[in-house]
Amino acid sequence: TQLLEQSPQFLSIQEGENLTVYCNSSSVFSSLQWYRQEPGEGPVLLVTVVTGGEVKKLKRLTFQFGDARKDSSLHITAAQPGDTGLYLCAGANTNAGKSTFGDGTTLTVKP
Amino acid sequence: ETGVTQSPTHLIKTRGQQVTLRCSSQSGHNTVSWYQQALGQGPQFIFQYYREEENGRGNFPPRFSGLQFPNYSSELNVNALELDDSALYLCASSRRLAGYNEQFFGPGTRLTVL
Repeated sequence: TQLLEQSPQFLSIQEGENLTVYCNSSSVFSSLQWYRQEPGEGPVLLVTVVTGGEVKKLKRLTFQFGDARKDSSLHITAAQPGDTGLYLCAGANTNAGKSTFGDGTTLTVKP
Repeated sequence: ETGVTQSPTHLIKTRGQQVTLRCSSQSGHNTVSWYQQALGQGPQFIFQYYREEENGRGNFPPRFSGLQFPNYSSELNVNALELDDSALYLCASSRRLAGYNEQFFGPGTRLTVL
């Protein structure tokens, strides 16, 4: 069974601070996605990483895929209240037909 | 481009009843996956449909069943509802690409079983 562990589970910071959240597994994935979910809504895709060591930037968000394709991190620079939400990582393997999700990191950014 | 839509938004049922949830996939997508998300947890994979056939199933009992139609829309049926079935049910559509499983989610259906 493939499992993804996300840490920390909860994170509360002040506006303007930097933060990093982690997604770790003992399994290799062919691709990994990061999503952001707001209460009562579906997850919104932020990024997909597929190559070991890959780094992708989306404005103030930086995503990294581990060299062995077992882990990933999301770094947010100068966090804003609009970044508040549940951040989920999901791993997938080619033709496996499913994504395995972590339980997410709940981020609160206080103004 | 039309995104993923789901209906109904909210649903209240009693234990033992049956429910059907519906999903319309994003245009150009041929694969639909269903997930169950309990409060405080990440989505759990129920099953996936590709070309109208089940293509992978998670650890859910047979009372969870589904269909995909020629227009790629899909239904999730749950029989003999139990209290633990209360959750947010998410539909995700994707387009099969080598090495990718990039899914786009609908807003979900909140099911409450009393």
